Amino acid sequence: NAGVTQTPKFRILKIGQSMTLQCTQDMNHNYMYWYRQDPGMGLKLIYYSVGAGITDKGEVPNGYNVSRSTTEDFPLRLELAAPSQTSVYFCASSYSTPSGNTIYFGEGSWLTVV
Amino acid sequence: TQLLEQSPQFLSIQEGENLTVYCNSSSVFSSLQWYRQEPGEGPVLLVTVVTGGEVKKLKRLTFQFGDARKDSSLHITAAQPGDTGLYLCAGVEAETSGSRLTFGEGTQLTVNP
Repeated sequence: NAGVTQTPKFRILKIGQSMTLQCTQDMNHNYMYWYRQDPGMGLKLIYYSVGAGITDKGEVPNGYNVSRSTTEDFPLRLELAAPSQTSVYFCASSYSTPSGNTIYFGEGSWLTVV
Repeated sequence: TQLLEQSPQFLSIQEGENLTVYCNSSSVFSSLQWYRQEPGEGPVLLVTVVTGGEVKKLKRLTFQFGDARKDSSLHITAAQPGDTGLYLCAGVEAETSGSRLTFGEGTQLTVNP
């Protein structure tokens, strides 16, 4: 039962570098999300997707890009990493809208930008 | 401005005590969820409430959705050290497409033995 799988678990980036956080789910869910969580805080929605080929901005999309070429995968791209992007990133998925549907979260990716 | 305001932000109590955590907003929600998160892990769903005035119980945890669907509370009876964690409320605004789940900033609960 893999569920939502994120990689890498930990990463240190230098300012200005770029990287991709990978996310895949094996539950055939239509909806996928990327959140970031700063220490002791709630989660902020970065981007979400309601199906393959469709993506939308969340609350804090600046500095990030996403794509959804398949139902299973929803990678998050960081271009020109900045210290403000130091955070824990969570990928999540749900079968349909979050209203009334369970959202399943990955275990998180710890990113530090120095 | 935070869409969902949780209070208190931090709560430290002794084992056996009761506690209530609040989640408030000026917006109406089509549904509201409560999550519990432990260090190093993602949030795990505890409950979803969808009807104004709805009350749901999960063992020692009681969840209530406000009549106007703008607020919710989580009450824990006889708290145990295993209840320690970050409790997050999250909601889907009624006047939206229903695709975005917004989180509060969380209540960090510590239950001391």
